[in-house]
Amino acid sequence: KNQVEQSPQSLIILEGKNCTLQCNYTVSPFSNLRWYKQDTGRGPVSLTIMTFSENTKSNGRYTATLDADTKQSSLHITASQLSDSASYICVVSVSFNDYKLSFGAGTTVTVRA
Amino acid sequence: GAVVSQHPSRVICKSGTSVKIECRSLDFQATTMFWYRQFPKQSLMLMATSNEGSKATYEQGVEKDKFLINHASLTLSTLTVTSAHPEDSSFYICSARDRTSYEQYFGPGTRLTVT
Repeated sequence: KNQVEQSPQSLIILEGKNCTLQCNYTVSPFSNLRWYKQDTGRGPVSLTIMTFSENTKSNGRYTATLDADTKQSSLHITASQLSDSASYICVVSVSFNDYKLSFGAGTTVTVRA
Repeated sequence: GAVVSQHPSRVICKSGTSVKIECRSLDFQATTMFWYRQFPKQSLMLMATSNEGSKATYEQGVEKDKFLINHASLTLSTLTVTSAHPEDSSFYICSARDRTSYEQYFGPGTRLTVT
């Protein structure tokens, strides 16, 4: 069973609108949680990284939140642009020195004009 | 920021031939590099972990004799797909772990098509 679950699987939004993606994880012990953006045919690019003690982290129009108690994270995209169309992947790592990353299946976001 | 490159970005080969994919960390040293495979509409799946100067560690179900990994230096790892078959067609992505910060950085991926 995947230890990182993302929802929704895909969504379509109009340009300029906001959207929120969800990530629930069961990975333990938890080290950090990352959100990546993956354009079609490209490698993942890091958007945010949060440790256990951080509740929110912003990167431009992207804001990630983390609730380590409920093991939930969200990624909020504000004022979406056509270039935001991509797959957004939630990735959780077990401990600081453990290289094993647990990947969510991703949420495919399509922004339409 | 840290940059990881992959070469080639895409390759088409015939069944039975071998293909080599390079992964380089351009501005940092990586004692550990990782090779992932990604099928359409699926997430990345770790294939193997490449450690500089030692043998790679393969995930369960990944044939080490088919996917040869060499990590000859702190900035270069190679993945060779031997005797490629059409089912090996996939998107191969590497990542490199900075030896000082432990952060992982992903390459842009290599699209392999076996005809």
